[in-house]
Amino acid sequence: GQQVMQIPQYQHVQEGEDFTTYCNSSTTLSNIQWYKQRPGGHPVFLIQLVKSGEVKKQKRLTFQFGEAKKNSSLHITATQTTDVGTYFCASDTSGTYKYIFGTGTRLKVLA
Amino acid sequence: KAGVTQTPRYLIKTRGQQVTLSCSPISGHRSVSWYQQTPGQGLQFLFEYFSETQRNKGNFPGRFSGRQFSNSRSEMNVSTLELGDSALYLCASSLKGLGAGELFFGEGSRLTVL
Repeated sequence: GQQVMQIPQYQHVQEGEDFTTYCNSSTTLSNIQWYKQRPGGHPVFLIQLVKSGEVKKQKRLTFQFGEAKKNSSLHITATQTTDVGTYFCASDTSGTYKYIFGTGTRLKVLA
Repeated sequence: KAGVTQTPRYLIKTRGQQVTLSCSPISGHRSVSWYQQTPGQGLQFLFEYFSETQRNKGNFPGRFSGRQFSNSRSEMNVSTLELGDSALYLCASSLKGLGAGELFFGEGSRLTVL
């Protein structure tokens, strides 16, 4: 079945360093969403990408959707302690109403 | 605007029992989807309901079932509980359904099976 892998699984960075997580799918995705889950919390929607090659920015966060729509990335510039949490990518499998979450990347930011 | 409400927040059951979890979506949202979150398996899709119809389900045994009422509130049921069912169960609501926009998650119901 379809799998969505994320790398790295864990990342520790010093505050102020940059951070990138990558999401890779075995099949073409119709769209991709990114969520952040703080420790002890629930996933919170960050953004949705739909178009091939799409790039969106939210302040220090930059999201990309690959040209082949099989991969995506989230880049955080100059991390802050408030960025701590697990970042998930997610997608429905091309209109089948079956939702797949990536394996997640847990980010720790050291002050 | 009230968020997604899940009840109960915490519960403890023993093997063989059954459990029912409830999810009240954001007003006006017709889609409710359910997920199981465990440290080992991550976030796994259980099923989605849209206007009282189950549109798809994930790879879970038949012990996991759900339903949605006319007011969009949803319940999920797990029968004959096993130790491996211990997890955080999250529900999410959305206006148009999976893939069509933002999912709003509830705080989750943490189930412990002894």
